[in-house]
Amino acid sequence: EPEVTQTPSHQVTQMGQEVILRCVPISNHLYFYWYRQILGQKVEFLVSFYNNEISEKSEIFDDQFSVERPDGSNFTLKIRSTKLEDSAMYFCASSGASDTDTQYFGPGTRLTVL
Amino acid sequence: GNSVTQMEGPVTLSEEAFLTINCTYTATGYPSLFWYVQYPGEGLQLLLKATKADDKGSNKGFEATYRKETTSFHLEKGSVQVSDSAVYFCALRGFSGSARQLTFGSGTQLTVLP
Repeated sequence: EPEVTQTPSHQVTQMGQEVILRCVPISNHLYFYWYRQILGQKVEFLVSFYNNEISEKSEIFDDQFSVERPDGSNFTLKIRSTKLEDSAMYFCASSGASDTDTQYFGPGTRLTVL
Repeated sequence: GNSVTQMEGPVTLSEEAFLTINCTYTATGYPSLFWYVQYPGEGLQLLLKATKADDKGSNKGFEATYRKETTSFHLEKGSVQVSDSAVYFCALRGFSGSARQLTFGSGTQLTVLP
C-alpha cells in the first residue's frame, strides 16, 4: 500500500541553524501539507501546497518557514533560523484529487532544537 | 474559527470493555469529521470519517456518527483489544472553498490491559 515517507526520523540542531525536513508524498497525490505537534499539545496545521504554490498557511508559518517541491517526488519544509520553540514533531501529509478529504500522514520527523 | 474539543485522557480499559471517546466541534457550515489513530512510533492513520449529518463512519469495529444537532462525533467500540492501545485524534475539515486544513483535538491516549 502506498505511504507517505519522511526523513530524517529525528533531527537535532543548534538554535539559529537551518533545517530541511523531507517528505515523499504518495505518488499520484496533488495536495501536500505540513503539520506540527509540540510535545503534549495539539496537532497544528502549518501549510498546504497545490500546483506548485502555497494554498493556505497558518499564523505559525511565518517568514522563517518555506516549502518547496524541488522535483516530482519530494516535498520539503525549511526552517531558516531555528528557535527553541520550533522543537516538535513535524508531520507531512498528502491527498489525492479524487478524495481531497482524506489526508495520508507520514510517520513524522522529531525536531529537537538545542 | 473551527475548533475540536476531545475527551481528556488517558483512558485505561480492560480487554473486551466498551469504549467511548467524546468529541464535539465548532465550525461554520457542514464540516467533514474524522478520527485518526496514532500507534506508538508511527504517524497518524485515518481510522474513519463522515462527511455529512447522520453519516456513520466505521472501520475495524470502531464507529462514529456525525450528529449535527449536538455537534458531536463520538468514537465507540463495543469490545476493545490490547492492540487498540494508541492515541486517538478527532479532527474536522471545514467547509470553505479551497480550505483543506484539518483542525485536530488534543488526542486521547487509550491503554487496553489484558
